[in-house]
Amino acid sequence: GAGVSQSPSNKVTEKGKDVELRCDPISGHTALYWYRQSLGQGLEFLIYFQGNSAPDKSGLPSDRFSAERTGGSVSTLTIQRTQQEDSAVYLCASSLGPGRWVVYGYTFGSGTRLTVV
Amino acid sequence: DAKTTQPNSMESNEEEPVHLPCNHSTISGTDYIHWYRQLPSQGPEYVIHGLTSNVNNRMASLAIAEDRKSSTLILHRATLRDAAVYYCILMNNQGGKLIFGQGTELSVKP
Repeated sequence: GAGVSQSPSNKVTEKGKDVELRCDPISGHTALYWYRQSLGQGLEFLIYFQGNSAPDKSGLPSDRFSAERTGGSVSTLTIQRTQQEDSAVYLCASSLGPGRWVVYGYTFGSGTRLTVV
Repeated sequence: DAKTTQPNSMESNEEEPVHLPCNHSTISGTDYIHWYRQLPSQGPEYVIHGLTSNVNNRMASLAIAEDRKSSTLILHRATLRDAAVYYCILMNNQGGKLIFGQGTELSVKP
């Protein structure tokens, strides 16, 4: 597609429920990233996928968070047993692969605003 | 990861030039300097990047110090739509995650 698409754009869920957030990267982009941005805060790295390599999960805040990327394209971020502190905007980005990402940078989606009540 | 330092906030008047500084004293020889901006309620967007030489594009100019330990993003004529948080980030060919600092929040007064 023309840009990075995220769905839903807004999600309200009850504390303790599981949620799934979806990211469709730009076609041909082999790298995909998830970030979280709490209200008034900076961007916090969560996880990064590059091709068929093992993902870099170093930013996941707890084992309630997981992400998959199927077929090297669409990614799903899953949060189990949501807590109020999970409320944030979840941003997805994609880029070309090694060597080319420094030239073309990242393209971000508009994010999913998650509210846990 | 090499770190960057930016002022927390800056103000500008509309139609005046804006110079947004960034210090990156621990930059390595293979690090590119990238700038992104985040408009209210949107994801960050790429602005410009450079390695050693100054760069110009339709959005902005990037001036890089000769020792590469600092850089300046230049908006030649600020508009109200340029009000955003501007992030200066180092990125190398090893790739992977971009680490965002707090950035500079630019406000533009009419």
